[in-house]
Amino acid sequence: DAGITQSPRHKVTETGTPVTLRCHQTENHRYMYWYRQDPGHGLRLIHYSYGVKDTDKGEVSDGYSVSRSKTEDFLLTLESATSSQTSVYFCATWDSSTDTQYFGPGTRLTVL
Amino acid sequence: QQQVKQSPQSLIVQKGGISIINCAYENTAFDYFPWYQQFPGKGPALLIAIRPDVSEKKEGRFTISFNKSAKQFSLHIMDSQPGDSATYFCAARGDYGNNRLAFGKGNQVVVIP
Repeated sequence: DAGITQSPRHKVTETGTPVTLRCHQTENHRYMYWYRQDPGHGLRLIHYSYGVKDTDKGEVSDGYSVSRSKTEDFLLTLESATSSQTSVYFCATWDSSTDTQYFGPGTRLTVL
Repeated sequence: QQQVKQSPQSLIVQKGGISIINCAYENTAFDYFPWYQQFPGKGPALLIAIRPDVSEKKEGRFTISFNKSAKQFSLHIMDSQPGDSATYFCAARGDYGNNRLAFGKGNQVVVIP
């Protein structure tokens, strides 16, 4: 499971508040990803990173920003949370030696 | 647009039976096709994967069949067990760069004793 941890694991917040989710990996993988998972939609890519300070948008990036200042950490920020951002968020990394994407345990976010 | 389409959406199988999940794709530049298994409250985990130069890959009770000309691939779970009850996602890596995967919407498999 590539040593991926996510924090917090659960969070309840109110509409309009900023929220930051953290992903930490211990395997020194170059590529990192943030997905959201919603019923009927599967896994949708929000943002990804291909190195320190190198990030790009995925298919559902509106309302989200990311930062990667160290190889091991990838932060996802909701600048002003909305109820439509209630979801389960997964961080993932890519192991280039095995061509495997590993997922973290997820963060359940509820925006009231 | 969804680049990987998965069917059926849900599946109920008797213990010992065969579960079959199908995926279809459009992008002929896809070069890697993994299947992920997800249990409730957990992150998806790689189950088995195949490349387009191979028509079939088997690992234990799990087999991927790949049909390049039809642009389809499927997961077969032989001798299905209650512990196989999970959501299964197919995915494909394409020419987006950066090892981005396009995921199907997922298929819930329930194996009844």
